[in-house]
Amino acid sequence: SQKIEQNSEALNIQEGKTATLTCNYTNYSPAYLQWYRQDPGRGPVFLLLIRENEKEKRKERLKVTFDTTLKQSLFHITASQPADSATYLCALGAGNNRKLIWGLGTSLAVNP
Amino acid sequence: DTEVTQTPKHLVMGMTNKKSLKCEQHMGHRAMYWYKQKAKKPPELMFVYSYEKLSINESVPSRFSPECPNSSLLNLHLHALQPEDSALYLCACRLWGDTGELFFGEGSRLTVL
Repeated sequence: SQKIEQNSEALNIQEGKTATLTCNYTNYSPAYLQWYRQDPGRGPVFLLLIRENEKEKRKERLKVTFDTTLKQSLFHITASQPADSATYLCALGAGNNRKLIWGLGTSLAVNP
Repeated sequence: DTEVTQTPKHLVMGMTNKKSLKCEQHMGHRAMYWYKQKAKKPPELMFVYSYEKLSINESVPSRFSPECPNSSLLNLHLHALQPEDSALYLCACRLWGDTGELFFGEGSRLTVL
C-alpha cells in the first residue's frame, strides 16, 4: 500500500545544532516533494520544493535532499533557533493530477 | 502575514445552523482549495477549484457546499453539520495547474455543538 512516514517521535534538539527531519515513502513515484512549516492553530507555510530530478535544494538555513532510489527526503535546519520550533510537514506531488499527499508531520522543539 | 484571508477565524454552530466560511486572495492565483485539518493530522483535501470551476471533490458529504463566485473568492457553505465536522478549515491557493507551492490562509476554527 502507499505510505508516507515522517519521524514518528517529536524531535528535541539544542539551540545551535542541526535538526534533521526525514520523510520516507513507499509505492509512489513523486514528481516533486514539498516541505511546509505549521505553527499551532495556523495554516501551513511553504518552505521548499524539490523535483524528482534534483538532489538538493537550499534556502538560507534550510536544506532538503531527495533520493528517489531510497525513496526518502531529508530536511535540515542548520544553526537551529527556538523560533524554528513547529511541526514540519512533507507533501508529495504524485499521480496524474499531482494531488499533494501529506505526511503526518514531525514536531520539532528547539531548546534554548 | 499571509496573503490568503479567511473569515471568520472562529465559528461555533449548532447542528441545525447554516453558516459560511469565506476565503479571499488577491495573488492572481487560479487554483483554490479547501482543506480540513483535525488535531495532529495532516490537511485533508476537500475541494479544488481551477479557473473558477470545481475540478476535484474528494467525496465530501453534501452538507459541505463550495462556491467560487470569482477568481478571488472561495466560499464553503455549511449546513446540518455533525460534531465530528469540528476542525480547522484551511483555504489555499496555487498559481495555476497542479504543481508549485500552496499558499494557505490562517484557517477557520469550526466547532459544531
